[in-house]
Amino acid sequence: EPEVTQTPSHQVTQMGQEVILRCVPISNHLYFYWYRQILGQKVEFLVSFYNNEISEKSEIFDDQFSVERPDGSNFTLKIRSTKLEDSAMYFCAISGGGAYEQYFGPGTRLTVT
Amino acid sequence: QKEVEQDPGPLSVPEGAIVSLNCTYSNSAFQYFMWYRQYSRKGPELLMYTYSSGNKEDGRFTAQVDKSSKYISLFIRDSQPSDSATYLCAMTRVWGNMLTFGGGTRLMVKP
Repeated sequence: EPEVTQTPSHQVTQMGQEVILRCVPISNHLYFYWYRQILGQKVEFLVSFYNNEISEKSEIFDDQFSVERPDGSNFTLKIRSTKLEDSAMYFCAISGGGAYEQYFGPGTRLTVT
Repeated sequence: QKEVEQDPGPLSVPEGAIVSLNCTYSNSAFQYFMWYRQYSRKGPELLMYTYSSGNKEDGRFTAQVDKSSKYISLFIRDSQPSDSATYLCAMTRVWGNMLTFGGGTRLMVKP
């Protein structure tokens, strides 16, 4: 089973600040995804990334959000000007290498105060 | 109508019981179906995935898909206290595309 780590495990930030969440796959994968889960709610898709391009995004993924793979290994989610309602668990998922099932990382808990 | 629905539970069963977890969905375009297990404040862990209709078995777990009824199930045989978690169904139209999740069913297996 593919492994993926996420950093930080918990991020506390003030409203209006920018945060960068990181995802590090242990092995090479082609597809990267970000999901979020507000406490007590469903896991929601944000964006998928393939071949250094966004391949799919949801309505949630507006101009406040951006993704990139800056060094060919890490995959980052940037949230600009954070709002209270951005508080959630953010999960990175990966797939590829001949299989398309998605494997999730442990998540980053983002708390916006 | 929500796209994917699950009874939130909690579902409480004694150790050794057979557990049945279910999801209904409204979008007939969904072709691939997954079950994830999620412990509190952890990432979803993939248990099983199936394509289209039919059954798939893996150890104590059996996944069933009935596309005509838009209904999927996960059965857990000989349930253990360690199976206590929230079970999420997820589905997608195209393999590798975004997953649409149900809200999850919380399962408690009592020793």
